[in-house]
Amino acid sequence: NAGVTQTPKFQVLKTGQSMTLQCAQDMNHEYMSWYRQDPGMGLRLIHYSVGAGITDQGEVPNGYNVSRSTTEDFPLRLLSAAPSQTSVYFCASAPGLGYFYEQYFGPGTRLTVT
Amino acid sequence: KQEVTQIPAALSVPEGENLVLNCSFTDSAIYNLQWFRQDPGKGLTSLLLIQSSQREQTSGRLNASLDKSSGRSTLYIAASQPGDSATYLCAVLVRSEKLVFGKGTKLTVNP
Repeated sequence: NAGVTQTPKFQVLKTGQSMTLQCAQDMNHEYMSWYRQDPGMGLRLIHYSVGAGITDQGEVPNGYNVSRSTTEDFPLRLLSAAPSQTSVYFCASAPGLGYFYEQYFGPGTRLTVT
Repeated sequence: KQEVTQIPAALSVPEGENLVLNCSFTDSAIYNLQWFRQDPGKGLTSLLLIQSSQREQTSGRLNASLDKSSGRSTLYIAASQPGDSATYLCAVLVRSEKLVFGKGTKLTVNP
């Protein structure tokens, strides 16, 4: 298993540009999520999905869009990039929700918006 | 609102020392607690998961305990090695959808 994969590893955008961060997992996990990690802030939840076709907002969803058309993929779209979106983005997945399930993280995408 | 605190923020120890990292959370209504390791510029690696009904979990030189009523968890690392140097994060799962993270403890083990 490749686990959770993310592309690209690094990206530089200009203010106002749009882009999609890709996340895929090959473990047949139902639950997937996106976090951003900022210095001094810890990791914060952006959006999550409990299965194909179902998504919901997390703590910091503004400026981001998601969809989940397949179990494997959960892309994160930046609609109009802003310098405040400079961060490291992590995708995570888990077999399901609740007590028993460990969450697995991808290697991250480091995004800079100028 | 759930808040997770990790103390100390940084710790430097000589090789071979046994050490304890602390994590505290404000709301005991959690589903589980997970400890992660993060190396510089890398993703998070899961170390241990403790379900809310459990008291501790062990993996090799690592032992994590959970006291839900007092809102505390500890990660014990035995016989530390330079390869243990990393940032250690704890996170609690709330409402079955969201992990709430602490800001981490940066550990340096000196040869």
